[in-house]
Amino acid sequence: EDQVTQSPEALRLQEGESSSLNCSYTVSGLRGLFWYRQDPGKGPEFLFTLYSAGEEKEKERLKATLTKKESFLHITAPKPEDSATYLCAVEAYGQNFVFGPGTRLSVLP
Amino acid sequence: DGGITQSPKYLFRKEGQNVTLSCEQNLNHDAMYWYRQDPGQGLRLIYYSQIVNDFQKGDIAEGYSVSREKKESFPLTVTSAQKNPTAFYLCASTPKTATLGYGYTFGSGTRLTVV
Repeated sequence: EDQVTQSPEALRLQEGESSSLNCSYTVSGLRGLFWYRQDPGKGPEFLFTLYSAGEEKEKERLKATLTKKESFLHITAPKPEDSATYLCAVEAYGQNFVFGPGTRLSVLP
Repeated sequence: DGGITQSPKYLFRKEGQNVTLSCEQNLNHDAMYWYRQDPGQGLRLIYYSQIVNDFQKGDIAEGYSVSREKKESFPLTVTSAQKNPTAFYLCASTPKTATLGYGYTFGSGTRLTVV
């Protein structure tokens, strides 16, 4: 059975304190791994798609990387506006998306 | 601007009542999905539709029903058979099911509470 786990469940950072979020997955035939940002009471907002091990993508203070078993979302010098829940999802060939439970990030000024 | 509109934002259901959540998209996307989100859990798929007048059950379809009479619309009915309906419901769409790496576009969600 395809599974996605995320760690930590919650993370508190001081403004400017860099860190990483982890997404571990077990899936047969990875088609794509997706990162989303979700603000409280709103729908998830698409950030990145990664297709193969070794791939990296960047957007402002965020950088996503992918290995054969996990993905990391690196946050460099975060700001309070980066506070949100970050969701990871995987898509396997012929299957629907499987979402992880998310990491709740708080960045304190 | 194109997007997905979900309504209402908040919905209260009495015991034994059926309620319908609206989802409308103007993205010309073929596939539409309904997810349920509970605290500490990943999004769980309720129903999805790849084409008008056709839909499939997801992982947690019991107690829910849908219709897809128009490409733009995919309403979800939460029936009285759903014993624990309190949750945040998300509608999503994609251009077509086989689009590599596109990901979902999500609506802003409906929070349903049983009173």
